[in-house]
Amino acid sequence: DAKTTQPPSMDCAEGRAANLPCNHSTISGNEYVYWYRQIHSQGPQYIIHGLKNNETNEMASLIITEDRKSSTLILPHATLRDTAVYYCIVRVGGGNYKLTFGKGTLLTVNP
Amino acid sequence: DVKVTQSSRYLVKRTGEKVFLECVQDMDHENMFWYRQDPGLGLRLIYFSYDVKMKEKGDIPEGYSVSREKKERFSLILESASTNQTSMYLCASSSYDGYEKLFFGSGTQLSVL
Repeated sequence: DAKTTQPPSMDCAEGRAANLPCNHSTISGNEYVYWYRQIHSQGPQYIIHGLKNNETNEMASLIITEDRKSSTLILPHATLRDTAVYYCIVRVGGGNYKLTFGKGTLLTVNP
Repeated sequence: DVKVTQSSRYLVKRTGEKVFLECVQDMDHENMFWYRQDPGLGLRLIYFSYDVKMKEKGDIPEGYSVSREKKERFSLILESASTNQTSMYLCASSSYDGYEKLFFGSGTQLSVL
């Protein structure tokens, strides 16, 4: 599975959009991009995933560059409850079921 | 909502004890996973199972075994607990057709003294 690079930490003001970057320059054509987050003292929570096209759900939007070498997770109106570690994961679809988590980005939403 | 329940939130055991960590999911998921999480090391996969009685080693299986006798239950076993197995243990499950979407339990903080 392709390796990902994320900044170790980011800050965001409450009510503003949080844009979390992820670099995956070695991604291959059949690898998906997944985002999870982990709020303190809880298990990780699935947010969103995509292959090529941009994706949006009730939690966030995922923007994948045309060359697929990087992506951005967008939380449109961050709240204090969005303070968490955000993990960007890249892996192939099908077959091998495991997800490998890196160290992620600690997003702190400030009042 | 999917619920993944881990039997204990905190557990304290002594070196050499046999330890069982239990995990139950209520959504009829085929896949179940055990991870451990340590500061600075992130989440690391210990074992996973994609069907009853089936298991696959993850990245760090040494010192652990697993059991899946029923679809809803996945147990992690530490045959002889050691201090380096002090960690947060997280169980997760997913369905076969949605295998990218893991649902996690709240975790068990295990301390081995």
